[in-house]
Amino acid sequence: KQEVTQIPAALSVPEGENLVLNCSFTDSAIYNLQWFRQDPGKGLTSLLLIQSSQREQTSGRLNASLDKSSGRSTLYIAASQPGDSATYLCAVSLMEYGNKLVFGAGTILRVKS
Amino acid sequence: DAMVIQNPRYQVTQFGKPVTLSCSQTLNHNVMYWYQQKSSQAPKLLFHYYDKDFNNEADTPDNFQSRRPNTSFCFLDIRSPGLGDAAMYLCATSRTRSGNQPQHFGDGTRLSIL
Repeated sequence: KQEVTQIPAALSVPEGENLVLNCSFTDSAIYNLQWFRQDPGKGLTSLLLIQSSQREQTSGRLNASLDKSSGRSTLYIAASQPGDSATYLCAVSLMEYGNKLVFGAGTILRVKS
Repeated sequence: DAMVIQNPRYQVTQFGKPVTLSCSQTLNHNVMYWYQQKSSQAPKLLFHYYDKDFNNEADTPDNFQSRRPNTSFCFLDIRSPGLGDAAMYLCATSRTRSGNQPQHFGDGTRLSIL
């Protein structure tokens, strides 16, 4: 059974700092890995999707890497801003019928001004 | 412009009183998903529709059901809500069931049980 773990559970950093969020998964048989952002009381916003054949994806100040063989992904946020404060979730798409996503519990990020 | 719309944003119901949550999409995607997310936990897939083909997860409680009358709409029915069903319910869509397709989420409905 696929399990997704995110470390740390919470992180507080001063504005301007570069930071890394970690995601690990137990079964390397995945189609892709997605990183989402969730603001309090809101739904999920997709940030980056990495196909299983890819090593990384970049969007603005965000860079996500994927090492499928070791079951790890990282989300790198450069020059953090208070507006980056949110919960960040990673999810893997299972190699079975349905494009099913298995989520981690998320990392709560607070960027202090 | 919202592409996956969930109504209502907040729903309060009484213990045991049936409740229906609504999701609509303007993306014309074939697949629609319902997830349950309890406080500080990971979203958990309840079921999904591929067109009209309904797929239930093995551990989805029996009092949860879903209807998809057309491509645009999908409903989540909770027949007899218990206190443990209080959660955020998230609807998502994807173009196909292929693993290279991202899922697009609505803003969710937060369900409270009195």
